[in-house]
Amino acid sequence: AQSVTQLDSQVPVFEEAPVELRCNYSSSVSVYLFWYVQYPNQGLQLLLKYLSGSTLVKGINGFEAEFNKSQTSFHLRKPSVHISDTAEYFCAVSEDTGGFKTIFGAGTRLFVKA
Amino acid sequence: DAGVTQSPTHLIKTRGQHVTLRCSPISGHKSVSWYQQVLGQGPQFIFQYYEKEERGRGNFPDRFSARQFPNYSSELNVNALLLGDSALYLCASSLLAGSYNEQFFGPGTRLTVL
Repeated sequence: AQSVTQLDSQVPVFEEAPVELRCNYSSSVSVYLFWYVQYPNQGLQLLLKYLSGSTLVKGINGFEAEFNKSQTSFHLRKPSVHISDTAEYFCAVSEDTGGFKTIFGAGTRLFVKA
Repeated sequence: DAGVTQSPTHLIKTRGQHVTLRCSPISGHKSVSWYQQVLGQGPQFIFQYYEKEERGRGNFPDRFSARQFPNYSSELNVNALLLGDSALYLCASSLLAGSYNEQFFGPGTRLTVL
């Protein structure tokens, strides 16, 4: 069965510093990978997705992620964070089996300090 | 264009009662999914509907049911409410049913069960 592990529950970082939010998954079939962001009292917004092709994926707001099949990881990175990036970030996995079920990780709280 | 809308925004019920949550997808989207997000956790997949048919179901008891209408809007029903049903219920719409599709989330309905 598929599962998603976000290795850090909270990541504090200073403004303009780089950040990496880690995500590992397990699945026995091909997967699609997503990162979503959730601001307080709001729904989720898609940051980026990996479906196929290039393993380096660029998304909105300067975020990027790299798919590593051998390590079953999909880590999210940003070279320089802003205060406004403070939010909850969720990694999600969907299996390419013709069905529909998206599994989300528990989330990583990114806290950007001035 | 309007995004995904959900009603009501907040709801307070007591144990044993029944609740109906509503969702209107983005215009042109034919797929609606429901998620439960307990405080401090990632969203948990409940149902997906496409063209009025159930296409996916998560590990939730039969007290949870849903349907999709001809205009692609959807209702989530929960019977015999338990304290543990207190959560943010998120609706997401997508153009098609495949698991590779980007999901657009609504702001959610906050359900409190007393």
